[in-house]
Amino acid sequence: QQQVKQSPQSLIVQKGGISIINCAYENTAFDYFPWYQQFPGKGPALLIAIRPDVSEKKEGRFTISFNKSAKQFSLHIMDSQPGDSATYFCAATAHPGNQFYFGTGTSLTVIP
Amino acid sequence: GAVVSQHPSRVICKSGTSVKIECRSLDFQATTMFWYRQFPKQSLMLMATSNEGSKATYEQGVEKDKFLINHASLTLSTLTVTSAHPEDSSFYICSARPGAVVEGYTFGSGTRLTVV
Repeated sequence: QQQVKQSPQSLIVQKGGISIINCAYENTAFDYFPWYQQFPGKGPALLIAIRPDVSEKKEGRFTISFNKSAKQFSLHIMDSQPGDSATYFCAATAHPGNQFYFGTGTSLTVIP
Repeated sequence: GAVVSQHPSRVICKSGTSVKIECRSLDFQATTMFWYRQFPKQSLMLMATSNEGSKATYEQGVEKDKFLINHASLTLSTLTVTSAHPEDSSFYICSARPGAVVEGYTFGSGTRLTVV
């Protein structure tokens, strides 16, 4: 059973545009929701994360929107750049076990 | 920040041989490390949770005799793929976190294993 559902599977965005990736979860015990960026042949790197006590978190061009009642969260990449082309994974975990449940990933391509 | 070093980054081995992958926490002590497997264009699949000084906890469906995990110190965990076969070819990634703070969860750079 997929604990975290992610969409879309792939995304093509024009340079300067906004990239939006969505995730949904069922387990209300989850209390930490990170987004990871992964380049080919590399391990995932933490991009931005949010706790359920806030509805939005922004770091530079990256914003997480969190809807606790809908059990959904999304990543927005503003002013998308070709260097943002990578695979993005959402994840969720419930303290204290700290096992991370990953979404299926979104392959983002930013066209110059 | 927390750094997890994984070695080797790539390894090619013959079918039937064993391969060891190392995962080190460079600037912190990790009582718990996690091992993931990732197939091309797919998500990370948790294989096992490695605890320093005790036996690893394997996820359902993961063969503990094939994927031997040793966490002998607070900074080193190893994954040994025994009697490797072509179907074991994959990208293996470890992760760890300093202390109990989930925000510090860090991944290694991964190991591409190819069994020929």
